[in-house]
Amino acid sequence: GQNIDQPTEMTATEGAIVQINCTYQTSGFNGLFWYQQHAGEAPTFLSYNVLDGLEEKGRFSSFLSRSKGYSYLLLKELQMKDSASYLCAVSDDRDDKIIFGKGTRLHILP
Amino acid sequence: NAGVMQNPRHLVRRRGQEARLRCSPMKGHSHVYWYRQLPEEGLKFMVYLQKENIIDESGMPKERFSAEFPKEGPSILRIQQVVRGDSAAYFCASSESGSPYEQYFGPGTRLTVT
Repeated sequence: GQNIDQPTEMTATEGAIVQINCTYQTSGFNGLFWYQQHAGEAPTFLSYNVLDGLEEKGRFSSFLSRSKGYSYLLLKELQMKDSASYLCAVSDDRDDKIIFGKGTRLHILP
Repeated sequence: NAGVMQNPRHLVRRRGQEARLRCSPMKGHSHVYWYRQLPEEGLKFMVYLQKENIIDESGMPKERFSAEFPKEGPSILRIQQVVRGDSAAYFCASSESGSPYEQYFGPGTRLTVT
């Protein structure tokens, strides 16, 4: 079966750091994505990891451990505009489909 | 370069009516994916199409739902005899190749069935 788990909601303070975890169990694996989705808007691509390790891109970093079926998205120097849902998604190498988790709603407090 | 376009952005239908959702992929993109998102839920894959071909429709209900991507014109997701449970946001994404890495999402169509 295929399953992607991530926390439903998280709260953090402006200027702080937050880590959003994602665990997955899929039949095939061809990379893990993180998307950001503001309420009522389309998801926008944040990161893609296919090899183990940390990928850094500005204030956002994404980590992958394939052996553990685990990823996290790290957001630094949080800004109010970072309040959004963050979707973890896995690409299945059998058919190129992307399986999405339910998303983590991140609330930023001033 | 215009992004992925979807219309209408909002659609209200009464139970039993038909809903037609349109998606124009980015210029040069020949691969289209449709997803459904229920409130408080993640995106659920519905169907993957290339021009004139349905590649994978495993996520689409077998009844009432159909999709097409003709040689000319937008991709269409059609829902016949809508029911309240069809109320959701429907997102379209496109890519130049079949690689999921390069999917770009449209703004979505919010369907409300009354």
